[in-house]
Amino acid sequence: QSVLTQPPSVSGAPGQRVTISCIGNNSNIGAGYDVCWYQQLPGTAPKLLIYGNVIYGNSNRPSGVPDRFSGSKSGTSASLAITGLQAEDEADYYCQSYDSSLSARVFGGGTKVTVL
Amino acid sequence: EVQLVESGGGLVQPGGSLRLSCVFSGFTFRSYAMNWVRQAPGKGLEWVSYISSSRSTINYADSVKGRFTISRDNAKNSLYLQMNSLRVEDTAVYYCARGLIVNNYYYYGMDIWGQGTTVTVSS
Repeated sequence: QSVLTQPPSVSGAPGQRVTISCIGNNSNIGAGYDVCWYQQLPGTAPKLLIYGNVIYGNSNRPSGVPDRFSGSKSGTSASLAITGLQAEDEADYYCQSYDSSLSARVFGGGTKVTVL
Repeated sequence: EVQLVESGGGLVQPGGSLRLSCVFSGFTFRSYAMNWVRQAPGKGLEWVSYISSSRSTINYADSVKGRFTISRDNAKNSLYLQMNSLRVEDTAVYYCARGLIVNNYYYYGMDIWGQGTTVTVSS
């Protein structure tokens, strides 16, 4: 059971917008700790997609990440949105934060995105 | 080019030990915190351990506390994970990952990942 809760799967047609939720609590996301999102293509290492915090905003992208990917946060939850869905976006996506009660970095269980 | 290369994985019996290594190139290693993250077959990501750039802060997941030891040698641009008393449930791909720094702000996230090394614990 992951500390951060994500839906197991989401799907959408090419060109559509999909969102992935990441539900935490007041020891992690709700406490204002950073939220990061990672993309993991089959058989490869995770790749940082979005990073954010209360100081610099919740939707920062490393160089090379398309602006089709965006992040947001509200209360104890965060979300990743993918607009203009493309076949190459089919992958597993993970949210990650820090939990003060565990003194640990924590990941969501992951969400598989399928492009129909 | 920034690069992380893990090694040291393999097959080990329950109760055995392994030492993983991660060698860095392309950046000033001593300036960055480092992490180990693992992924069991068909499962999600699990953070394992963290070490700050100066070694002053070290954290472990509860699942490995007391059995695993993280360390680093800044002179050799290397990160290590000593794994003792290995269990079947430690079977996973182990990734080393660099701590994210932006505008001198140290995030809890990770921006550069190695390709992973596979650890299999089985009798």
